[in-house]
Amino acid sequence: DAGVIQSPRHEVTEMGQEVTLRCKPISGHNSLFWYRQTMMRGLELLIYFNNNVPIDDSGMPEDRFSAKMPNASFSTLKIQPSEPRDSAVYFCASSRDYYQETQYFGPGTRLLVL
Amino acid sequence: DAKTTQPNSMESNEEEPVHLPCNHSTISGTDYIHWYRQLPSQGPEYVIHGLTSNVNNRMASLAIAEDRKSSTLILHRATLRDAAVYYCILKTLAGGTSYGKLTFGQGTILTVHP
Repeated sequence: DAGVIQSPRHEVTEMGQEVTLRCKPISGHNSLFWYRQTMMRGLELLIYFNNNVPIDDSGMPEDRFSAKMPNASFSTLKIQPSEPRDSAVYFCASSRDYYQETQYFGPGTRLLVL
Repeated sequence: DAKTTQPNSMESNEEEPVHLPCNHSTISGTDYIHWYRQLPSQGPEYVIHGLTSNVNNRMASLAIAEDRKSSTLILHRATLRDAAVYYCILKTLAGGTSYGKLTFGQGTILTVHP
């Protein structure tokens, strides 16, 4: 199994630009999670999906952030417009279901907004 | 939400056992105790979880106090590859806004000396 795949692995952009992060969960997993990690705030859950439906987006910092899961094998996290304070490592994770199963994390996307 | 308390850092020598403590005095009956670890520049990975009884797997052992107010992750023979941040997390199955979520704290930074 290839594990959770994230792209790009690194992204450098300028303030105001749109950023799209991508995630392919493990095949057969029904739940997908987006996390953000910074030195100041640690690892935070942004949003999670179950069967492609967003269940809880209370962690999404503001309207500049949006996430979609058009099918079971693909999800995007979009930031528009991006700001320097969005610089962080963004992780995607998946699990067979969201309430009990182990979460498997991807390698992360390191985002730097200048 | 039930919280966990872990030491900021611990040190160990290679091939020696390591006991990583976690306090969770406000744990409820429906909270599972999960441990994840994060190796440098990687996403978190699952280590072990339990509810009431001690648990063993190929990576580690989890010892849970009888009153469930604390637990200890045991690495039987630390290797250099075990150097990571270890997170103790309570995962509730009681419903509500925390249902099924992993809420990461600051964790314990484990340093393993050759």
